[in-house]
Amino acid sequence: DADVTQTPRNRITKTGKRIMLECSQTKGHDRMYWYRQDPGLGLRLIYYSFDVKDINKGEISDGYSVSRQAQAKFSLSLESAIPNQTALYFCATSDLMGQSTDTQYFGPGTRLTVL
Amino acid sequence: GQNIDQPTEMTATEGAIVQINCTYQTSGFNGLFWYQQHAGEAPTFLSYNVLDGLEEKGRFSSFLSRSKGYSYLLLKELQMKDSASYLCALLDTGRRALTFGSGTRLQVQP
Repeated sequence: DADVTQTPRNRITKTGKRIMLECSQTKGHDRMYWYRQDPGLGLRLIYYSFDVKDINKGEISDGYSVSRQAQAKFSLSLESAIPNQTALYFCATSDLMGQSTDTQYFGPGTRLTVL
Repeated sequence: GQNIDQPTEMTATEGAIVQINCTYQTSGFNGLFWYQQHAGEAPTFLSYNVLDGLEEKGRFSSFLSRSKGYSYLLLKELQMKDSASYLCALLDTGRRALTFGSGTRLQVQP
């Protein structure tokens, strides 16, 4: 089974709709991240969380919100989706302690299209 | 802020060696990562440099020079499956988050 899972894998929605993307991990990592990837722009950080009570904005948080429901779950919401939020969204996790500290492990991605 | 530059595309021949360069400007960072990403898939971890010098992992090696603001990823004995994008990323000292370059798309030809 995959260590980092994302649901849904693909989603098509309309402008103005509320969308939630979910991320779950079984790696036992403390830190979780949300990135978006656009062609030619690489991955950009939306939000990150070091534990359940710690949520921080990344470079492009406008139009997004997050919830860390548990150590293993980190969800990303688009309150009112707009077409320029069409992108590939990745969740990632990393370990605060342990041998692979700071290495980020990515989920399979969610391809979101906003019409 | 951080600025990372990589070539957009490279082509190489199966069995050959290819070097993918990454230059950066930053006020400080903890380390430099290299990830591989096949089209439409998740990035996967390749290598991590904290100190200057060469890190070798099988067919892949990565080099860092902090004084020159420069890193490279070296891929040896290229295989067709190495056709992918290679992402250079800096680890932020405070947030422990990654700032990625735009990636280098490598095409391996027979």
